Amino acid sequence: AQKITQTQPGMFVQEKEAVTLDCTYDTSDPSYGLFWYKQPSSGEMIFLIYQGSYDQQNATEGRYSLNFQKARKSANLVISASQLGDSAMYFCAMSSWYSSASKIIFGSGTRLSIRP
Amino acid sequence: EAGVTQFPSHSVIEKGQTVTLRCDPISGHDNLYWYRRVMGKEIKFLLHFVKESKQDESGMPNNRFLAERTGGTYSTLKVQPAELEDSGVYFCASSQGRGLIEKLFFGSGTQLSVL
Repeated sequence: AQKITQTQPGMFVQEKEAVTLDCTYDTSDPSYGLFWYKQPSSGEMIFLIYQGSYDQQNATEGRYSLNFQKARKSANLVISASQLGDSAMYFCAMSSWYSSASKIIFGSGTRLSIRP
Repeated sequence: EAGVTQFPSHSVIEKGQTVTLRCDPISGHDNLYWYRRVMGKEIKFLLHFVKESKQDESGMPNNRFLAERTGGTYSTLKVQPAELEDSGVYFCASSQGRGLIEKLFFGSGTQLSVL
C-alpha cells in the first residue's frame, strides 16, 4: 500500500530562518512523483514543487527545494529565508504511475507558523 | 485566466438533507478530481473524471455520494442524505495532461458541516 507520512503537525520558525518540513513515503512502484502543496488561510491549494523518482538532482523552485533521499524514502521540503507569508499548511503528496495515474495521495499536513 | 472555482464556499446542513457542491475547472482541463479532507486528517481522493467519463471512483465512500460532469465541463458532487461523518472540506482540482507529473490546480474548497 502507498502511504505518505508527515510527522510534524505544527512548526514555529523565526522569520528569515530556513525551515525543513519532513515527508516520508512508502510505495513498491518503481516510478512515482512527489509533490508539495501549500494551503494558506484563504483555503486554496497551491502547487510548490515536484520531484520525479528517476530525477538525479533535487528539485528547486525559487526558495523551495526538495531534499530527495530515495533510499530512505524521504522527500523533505526546504524553505530558505522564510517569510511571514510562508505561514500556511503544507502537504506532501505522491502519485504513482503503475498504481494509478489518476490518484495523488496526500499526507496529513504540517502547519507552519513564521514568527516576526 | 480563471482558476478552479468551487461553490458554495461553506454549507451548513442538517443530517438527512441533501447538498450539492459545484466545481468549475480551468477551461480546457480534461481531468477533474474531487478530494475530501476530514478535520485533522489527510486529504483523500474521491474520484477522477476525464472529460465527462468517470475514470476512477474508487475513493467514493458510499452510494450516498453521486458525482457528475455534464458535457465534460463543470462537475457536481451530491450528498444525499448527508450524515455527520460527511463533514469536511471538499476540494476540486483539475489538470491538463495525463502524464505522471499531475500538477493539479485546486479550488478553494467547500467547507461542509453536517449537524
